[in-house]
Amino acid sequence: AQTVTQSQPEMSVQEAETVTLSCTYDTSESNYYLFWYKQPPSRQMILVIRQEAYKQQNATENRFSVNFQKAAKSFSLKISDSQLGDTAMYFCAFMKHLTGDDKIIFGKGTRLHILP
Amino acid sequence: NAGVMQNPRHLVRRRGQEARLRCSPMKGHSHVYWYRQLPEEGLKFMVYLQKENIIDESGMPKERFSAEFPKEGPSILRIQQVVRGDSAAYFCASSPGLAGVNTGELFFGEGSRLTVL
Repeated sequence: AQTVTQSQPEMSVQEAETVTLSCTYDTSESNYYLFWYKQPPSRQMILVIRQEAYKQQNATENRFSVNFQKAAKSFSLKISDSQLGDTAMYFCAFMKHLTGDDKIIFGKGTRLHILP
Repeated sequence: NAGVMQNPRHLVRRRGQEARLRCSPMKGHSHVYWYRQLPEEGLKFMVYLQKENIIDESGMPKERFSAEFPKEGPSILRIQQVVRGDSAAYFCASSPGLAGVNTGELFFGEGSRLTVL
């Protein structure tokens, strides 16, 4: 069974700083998707960034980028120039490749506080 | 609003009552997922449904919980004889479910918060 582990329950950084959230996962699959989702205080989950395991290039979305290390099964999220609106819970998630059994498994989350 | 719609947003039940949570997926989406979030916890997968089919219910308790996604109408998560431990936020998500269209992204509703007194 797949597992997703986020070892940092809570983090705080000053506005405009860069922060990295850690995630490791365990799977025997060779093809899969990895995700970072954000859950702000309003509670609605929003996709931040997605990585396909067969792609070596790290995904980037504006100020958000990932460091995907497939051999190490590591998938960290870097937020550059952090903003107050980045304050939220961040969940790392895993999904097997599109086989029909494509439920997404979430980690326990990292609560990120951006301080003014 | 073309997003995932969940209702009710808040539901209060006494122990032993039934709770029914509804989810209308995004237009064009045929796959629905239910997740439960306990306070300060991540989202735990409960069940994955397509229209008229349960694909994976491995995360759903065997007793008291059931889910359906009929041909017409919303998906329903039903909890019978609720207990205090059922208090949680229940999130529904949908996806297109078609290879080539499905990017893996789930589109979430705002959740239904169940409180059992």
